[in-house]
This record gives sequence, structure tokens and C-alpha cells, in this order.
Amino acid sequence: GAGVSQSPRYKVTKRGQDVALRCDPISGHVSLYWYRQALGQGPEFLTYFNYEAQQDKSGLPNDRFSAERPEGSISTLTIQRTEQRDSAMYRCASSLGRAGPALNEQYFGPGTRLTVT
Amino acid sequence: AQTVTQSQPEMSVQEAETVTLSCTYDTSESDYYLFWYKQPPSRQMILVIRQEAYKQQNATENRFSVNFQKAAKSFSLKISDSQLGDAAMYFCAYRSARGSGGGADGLTFGKGTHLIIQP
Repeated sequence: GAGVSQSPRYKVTKRGQDVALRCDPISGHVSLYWYRQALGQGPEFLTYFNYEAQQDKSGLPNDRFSAERPEGSISTLTIQRTEQRDSAMYRCASSLGRAGPALNEQYFGPGTRLTVT
Repeated sequence: AQTVTQSQPEMSVQEAETVTLSCTYDTSESDYYLFWYKQPPSRQMILVIRQEAYKQQNATENRFSVNFQKAAKSFSLKISDSQLGDAAMYFCAYRSARGSGGGADGLTFGKGTHLIIQP
């Protein structure tokens, strides 16, 4: 079946512009996660959803970052007034959202490479 | 907050040999999960192996096995019979087991170890 998809795969934007990154999880997956991965670093947790409810946004760096999942499926991560330090790979993952590590395995998308010039 | 430390930025091993990647973590929780992810040059994130903290038996997946030392908060990955396709970044990750059945906390990753396979 289809995996997690993200679009666009690459985004170049000018400092000060807003960007919207999209994630389409695996069908039927309840939980959806956003991560940011700087070059040479491990992914850093940003936020996650169960269905349409945002459960934890403690990882969002500041109030320029927001995320939504209005119908419990596709999610959008929005960065307002982008800055050069926002340049990174933004990854989405989804999981069944059940108890236990095997059933709650996170499947990662290919990521969106964001470059702010 | 939990932290994950991978002290080896880069490791090199001869093809067919065995290599061990180290990982330590810090947590005050007693119930959690640990993972090793592989990130090849394609930059996909691929789950290699998982370990439940309440299980004493070390997890194994074919050529991949872990040495889980709960008291020492250590979780190393052993790759036997290394193959060229094993060349990648390897990330150790932690996840709390506090999450309800409807979902769980995000993963906390280490900075990764770049594994080089010498032919």
C-alpha cells in the first residue's frame, strides 16, 4: 500500500515568506507526527496529532510554527515569516495509534527539504 | 526531559566483520521503548530494531541485535556480517510508554553515527 507522502519534496523560499508543508499519512493511521532534521543531526520532535486533535506541541520552536489536521487525515505544517535558521528537512510520520511499540511503529515520509534564502 | 547520546560520530568496519554502535540515554521513567533507525543516502528513515524496556531479553532481527543494559541506560546495536548496503547513518531513539492507547509521545533521537563499510 501507499506509504506516508509529503509535498513539496523541495521548497526554496525567501526570508520573510510563509510556507505550508503537507503530509498525507498512511490510510487508517490515527497518529501523525512532525519532526525537523537539521543537517548532521537527528530528527527533532515538533508536534503530533491523534485524529484531528493536537496532543502535544511542546516541540514547536516558537509561535511562527503551527500545524493542523482538520479532518484527521492530511496535516499541514505552516511556518510564518520564515528565517534562514528554519532551513532543514521536515519529516512527517504516522502510526496506527494503538498501545504497544509494534502496533505504534512510526512510518516516516520522505521529507520536505526547506531552504530559506 | 529525556536525552539520547550517540558518542561515535563515525564508525568504519570491513565488509563481513562485526561492528557495534553505542547509545546511552537519560530518563527518569521506568517504562519506555528504544529503537534503532537507519538513514541511507536516500534519507529515508527505516526502522531496524526495537526494544521494550520491560523485556530483559535483547531484541534480534537477523544480522542486527542489541545489548540493552537498563541499569546502565545503554542500548548498543551490533551488526554482524556487515554488508555494503548497511552503510548509512544510524540513529538511536527513545519513546516514553506513557502514551495512551490512542497514541504516544514523539521519538527523541540521538545525533547519529555514520557507518562506513570498507569493501
